[in-house]
Amino acid sequence: DAGVTQSPTHLIKTRGQHVTLRCSPISGHKSVSWYQQVLGQGPQFIFQYYEKEERGRGNFPDRFSARQFPNYSSELNVNALLLGDSALYLCASSLETPRTNEKLFFGSGTQLSVL
Amino acid sequence: AQSVTQLGSHVSVSEGALVLLRCNYSSSVPPYLFWYVQYPNQGLQLLLKYTTGATLVKGINGFEAEFKKSETSFHLTKPSAHMSDAAEYFCAVKAGNKLVFGAGTILRVKS
Repeated sequence: DAGVTQSPTHLIKTRGQHVTLRCSPISGHKSVSWYQQVLGQGPQFIFQYYEKEERGRGNFPDRFSARQFPNYSSELNVNALLLGDSALYLCASSLETPRTNEKLFFGSGTQLSVL
Repeated sequence: AQSVTQLGSHVSVSEGALVLLRCNYSSSVPPYLFWYVQYPNQGLQLLLKYTTGATLVKGINGFEAEFKKSETSFHLTKPSAHMSDAAEYFCAVKAGNKLVFGAGTILRVKS
């Protein structure tokens, strides 16, 4: 079975542009979470979606938005990019509901560089 | 609010030596704790998790961790390091719908 797939793997943008990152969860997983991992730090929670509804939002500005589609894939959008948005963006899926004991399966991430 | 602190951003051990990666947590409720490993250019892989019950948790690749409430610790150990264990390790605590990760510890294994 395919794991969590993310596209693109690498992306270079300039300040002020917008970007869309995509994630396909493991088949049967209805929960998708997004994390930002800045170099040298642990992942930071951005969003969680379950059954196409937002179930959690981290401490990120409104420039960050996301959505989940009927097939449970997800997009993360970032507008008005800043240099500080340069990071590895990780998507994770889970078979369980948000409130239960979760085992997250992570994709390999999208490395975003903002110049 | 739940949080974790990983002591030591870099740990170096010789092949065959004991691996000990330290994690202390802060939580106002009984914690769910996790250890993840990240190899270069890859996502995170779950090594093991503690929810309730047995305080000694065994994970994949020979790793284990012990939950010690009195010390608010969840240290990761492996009796004998392999070269393939070289990676970055993250401790995490569940906080509502999300995981809160520590800053990570890079493990170097010397031959």
